[in-house]
Amino acid sequence: QQQVKQSPQSLIVQKGGISIINCAYENTAFDYFPWYQQFPGKGPALLIAIRPDVSEKKEGRFTISFNKSAKQFSLHIMDSQPGDSATYFCAATPRNTGGFKTIFGAGTRLFVKA
Amino acid sequence: DAGVTQSPTHLIKTRGQQVTLRCSPKSGHDTVSWYQQALGQGPQFIFQYYEEEERQRGNFPDRFSGHQFPNYSSELNVNALLLGDSALYLCASSLNARQAIYEQYFGPGTRLTVT
Repeated sequence: QQQVKQSPQSLIVQKGGISIINCAYENTAFDYFPWYQQFPGKGPALLIAIRPDVSEKKEGRFTISFNKSAKQFSLHIMDSQPGDSATYFCAATPRNTGGFKTIFGAGTRLFVKA
Repeated sequence: DAGVTQSPTHLIKTRGQQVTLRCSPKSGHDTVSWYQQALGQGPQFIFQYYEEEERQRGNFPDRFSGHQFPNYSSELNVNALLLGDSALYLCASSLNARQAIYEQYFGPGTRLTVT
């Protein structure tokens, strides 16, 4: 019930195309859904995040779509660039004010072809 | 404004030994979480500290322990190292766990190799 399932494992997109990564969860107590970008040898960097009371959030070329009834959320990267080539992780944090633990998906390796 | 810093960058230890990793949170942050990231996997939550106490813990054995200091920096200790402990250990800081502010910023990690 604590899992976050992420797909696909890897993705190849042409420069200028749209990259789409999907995640699904079971625990309805999750209250915060961030996406992280990680380059080799670096720590994950927070890209964008959403709360379940919002169905979509856009920041620059990155958009999160959130479907609460289906318990799914996705990351769309518009106009994908070679510099976007990295591993992307979705994550979810359960509602808690006494400290929190964040559950990560297994990751998607994105390669954008020039 | 310094981000999250971790030391050392790399570490090689032998099975059975003990290791201590260190983390300084982003300026203004009081909450530190530790994660283990095996090669090709997502980070796995180990535990979280704020107000110098362990507040949440993931599914890790007691060999993993930690500490938070009054300046909010933190240490992760692993005893009786196993080969399976080889991983990237990540520290993440956040502003105020008590107020359910979940936004976390990660450090570059410490690469631990157990031989």
